[in-house]
Amino acid sequence: GENVEQHPSTLSVQEGDSAVIKCTYSDSASNYFPWYKQELGKRPQLIIDIRSNVGEKKDQRIAVTLNKTAKHFSLHITETQPEDSAVYFCAASHYGLTGAGGTSYGKLTFGQGTILTVHP
Amino acid sequence: DTEVTQTPKHLVMGMTNKKSLKCEQHMGHRAMYWYKQKAKKPPELMFVYSYEKLSINESVPSRFSPECPNSSLLNLHLHALQPEDSALYLCASSLVWGEKLFFGSGTQLSVL
Repeated sequence: GENVEQHPSTLSVQEGDSAVIKCTYSDSASNYFPWYKQELGKRPQLIIDIRSNVGEKKDQRIAVTLNKTAKHFSLHITETQPEDSAVYFCAASHYGLTGAGGTSYGKLTFGQGTILTVHP
Repeated sequence: DTEVTQTPKHLVMGMTNKKSLKCEQHMGHRAMYWYKQKAKKPPELMFVYSYEKLSINESVPSRFSPECPNSSLLNLHLHALQPEDSALYLCASSLVWGEKLFFGSGTQLSVL
């Protein structure tokens, strides 16, 4: 099955700095890579995602890059703010419309998470 | 409506109790999921329903019994749980299987 490794486990930055979180995955069939933000006591929320046919995607201060050959993808947050403080999870899955295609289909496998702290 | 609603938000139960967790979405999503999350850990997949049929069961003990009565509802029936089953139980849904999952706020379960 898929295995996703995430680094670092904790990241502390000053407000205004950039933050980078990296993940590697093992299953070459994975074609979808989302990032979730989970604040303390709240639900995981999708903040950005990328499909395997795209190398980079940006949404305001957040960007994700994907290197399919190396099987790794990264989250970049620029101009960090205290409200960015949370746990960030990367994930990988093999998505599809009907779910046909083997036991790995539809399974979203998460990395272990990164606790990001942004100091004012 | 772009939300996944879970009830109850908190649940305390004894090891001999039977209880149910409920999840509801009205986004027309045809894939629904149950995840278990321990503190400071990532969500772990338990079950996936696609078009109201159980598609994935991640070798979950039989004391957890999922049910999908219709395309908007997902239940998780609990019976004879163990203290180690205490965790946050998250429901999620998506339009496409395995993509853009929307999570509910979860049920914080404590087994005494």
